Amino acid sequence: EPEVTQTPSHQVTQMGQEVILRCVPISNHLYFYWYRQILGQKVEFLVSFYNNEISEKSEIFDDQFSVERPDGSNFTLKIRSTKLEDSAMYFCASRPGTGDLYGYTFGSGTRLTVV
Amino acid sequence: GNSVTQMEGPVTLSEEAFLTINCTYTATGYPSLFWYVQYPGEGLQLLLKATKADDKGSNKGFEATYRKETTSFHLEKGSVQVSDSAVYFCALFLSGTYKYIFGTGTRLKVLA
Repeated sequence: EPEVTQTPSHQVTQMGQEVILRCVPISNHLYFYWYRQILGQKVEFLVSFYNNEISEKSEIFDDQFSVERPDGSNFTLKIRSTKLEDSAMYFCASRPGTGDLYGYTFGSGTRLTVV
Repeated sequence: GNSVTQMEGPVTLSEEAFLTINCTYTATGYPSLFWYVQYPGEGLQLLLKATKADDKGSNKGFEATYRKETTSFHLEKGSVQVSDSAVYFCALFLSGTYKYIFGTGTRLKVLA
């Protein structure tokens, strides 16, 4: 069964450093998403991406965050200067453009720890 | 605004016990409702869904009924197994937004 692959599974970074979280969505999917979950809190929407541009972003997704689909297969989330409060589990997801509108597939997540 | 509230965990049950995890929601419009499950070390997997009032979603012995009058979507299973140990997330999805609003998740631990 097709999967959304996220790497690394766990990343530790120092405060102020840049970090890039990587995702490989399912190959024929057209819509891409990042969500995050701070430990013990809700899973929150960060950003959606379609046709090589951001289609929607949440208040959390400020200027420190950016997304990119650099090569037609990877979908990355960059945090420019990490803060302690960026420590969370980050989930990538994708869905096809047609068919089941709810057909998200989530990755297994990247746990980011900022120290 | 739109939100989902789940019962706090962890929920610890013995094998073959009856499970209920409560979920209520607040939404503008007419959301679809979902339960996702996250097994240890894995991603979020769709467990079941209901797209309109009075629909019942079911999968793997789990059931939930979309109750508009009580704005609820409680998850139930008649007889849990150790392999059901996981975190369960209730979520709503508003048509037109194509994004989910999740609850905080409820950890279920089933003991043999």
